[in-house]
Amino acid sequence: QVQLKESGPGLVQPSQTLSLTCTVSGFSLTSNSVHWVRQPPGKGLEWVGAIWSGGSTDYNSALKSRLNISRDTSKSQAFLKMNSLQTEDTAIYFCTRLDHPYVMDAWGQGASVTVSS
Amino acid sequence: ETVMTQSPTSMSTSIGERVTLNCKASQSVGINVDWYQQTPGQSPKLLIYGASNRHTGVPDRFTGSGFGRDFTLTISNMEAEDLAVYYCLQYGSIPWTFGGGTKLELK
Repeated sequence: QVQLKESGPGLVQPSQTLSLTCTVSGFSLTSNSVHWVRQPPGKGLEWVGAIWSGGSTDYNSALKSRLNISRDTSKSQAFLKMNSLQTEDTAIYFCTRLDHPYVMDAWGQGASVTVSS
Repeated sequence: ETVMTQSPTSMSTSIGERVTLNCKASQSVGINVDWYQQTPGQSPKLLIYGASNRHTGVPDRFTGSGFGRDFTLTISNMEAEDLAVYYCLQYGSIPWTFGGGTKLELK
């Protein structure tokens, strides 16, 4: 059974760095890519970025300078790190599996992140 | 960056009604569009991929169509469980981008 679960701090101070982990089961990170999507309170979905099965990454243009996505295939974990956090980064952060042919067919339950002092 | 514009932003519907949701891309994305459904407090769920292919288990009252810049999601016979927010996603070019969503409400 394919599962994804996000974990990380619920509260981050402004200007600090956000670190999130997506732990997956039921598939391999070398076979499927993992994407990150976020949703500010009461707003729509925003594609954040992806780590592809081969290990390369792509990022949202507006977040690229602050963002790093990586993985540890031996632990079946993908990571999101975003620095210089602002209140506008307050959101639910989802990780999702991309399956063939380009379908986000499984999602985590989301990690709520609040940026506040 | 490809901007996806969804219309309308919200719609009041009735059970049994036929509903059409629109998504327009700022440049051609071929058939590289998916549709997702999100109910309150839940993660999004895939409905349609490749513009017109129904995902496994999705009822056949959901139909996707379109190519290039204009895409449509049609619900042929609205049911109460379909009250949700619907998002289109383009993956024709990096960065991938979502539309702003269409919220379906009950009249």
